Amino acid sequence: SQTIHQWPATLVQPVGSPLSLECTVEGTSNPNLYWYRQAAGRGLQLLFYSVGIGQISSEVPQNLSASRPQDRQFILSSKKLLLSDSGFYLCAWRALLTSYTFGSGTRLTVV
Amino acid sequence: ELKVEQNPLFLSMQEGKNYTIYCNYSTTSDRLYWYRQDPGKSLESLFVLLSNGAVKQEGRLMASLDTKARLSTLHITAAVHDLSATYFCAVDKKSVGLEYGNKLVFGAGTILRVKS
Repeated sequence: SQTIHQWPATLVQPVGSPLSLECTVEGTSNPNLYWYRQAAGRGLQLLFYSVGIGQISSEVPQNLSASRPQDRQFILSSKKLLLSDSGFYLCAWRALLTSYTFGSGTRLTVV
Repeated sequence: ELKVEQNPLFLSMQEGKNYTIYCNYSTTSDRLYWYRQDPGKSLESLFVLLSNGAVKQEGRLMASLDTKARLSTLHITAAVHDLSATYFCAVDKKSVGLEYGNKLVFGAGTILRVKS
């Protein structure tokens, strides 16, 4: 069966520090991978998506970047965090003819 | 640009009552999803609606899709406290030029509070 792992679950980082959030998927090949952010407990905003290794599409200009070094690994990064980067970050995957499945999320607080 | 609008954004219900959450979207789409989110948690998939007239039911929740009207509804029957959560609808948006590079566009969510 397919599973998605996301870590860490919570993170408190100072302004200006770097960020690396990791997401891995098991039990499927060549999935589409997605990073969403949820601010203030409301709507979800798509940040990045990837249809294959090294292929990243950015939805909104921001302080973040994404990479996909392996087929089932998706990484969200920042060189210098801003206060506005705080939020709940969700990784999701989807393969052909399947639904979207979300990871357990990372709650990031930038202080 | 695909826009997804949910209403109401906040719903306070008495136990035992019925109510409907509405989801309108602006362009044609292949699929519509409903998710539930409990405070501090991730999204739990409730329904996937694939075609016009699709209706799915699970317990006290029933979802339907009218692709011609670009409208989906989530109907709550005889609400119970355990249904308190935030409910999101989301619509698949196909990206031009990508084999199956669909993207999920979310509504703002409906916060449901069921009072005893």
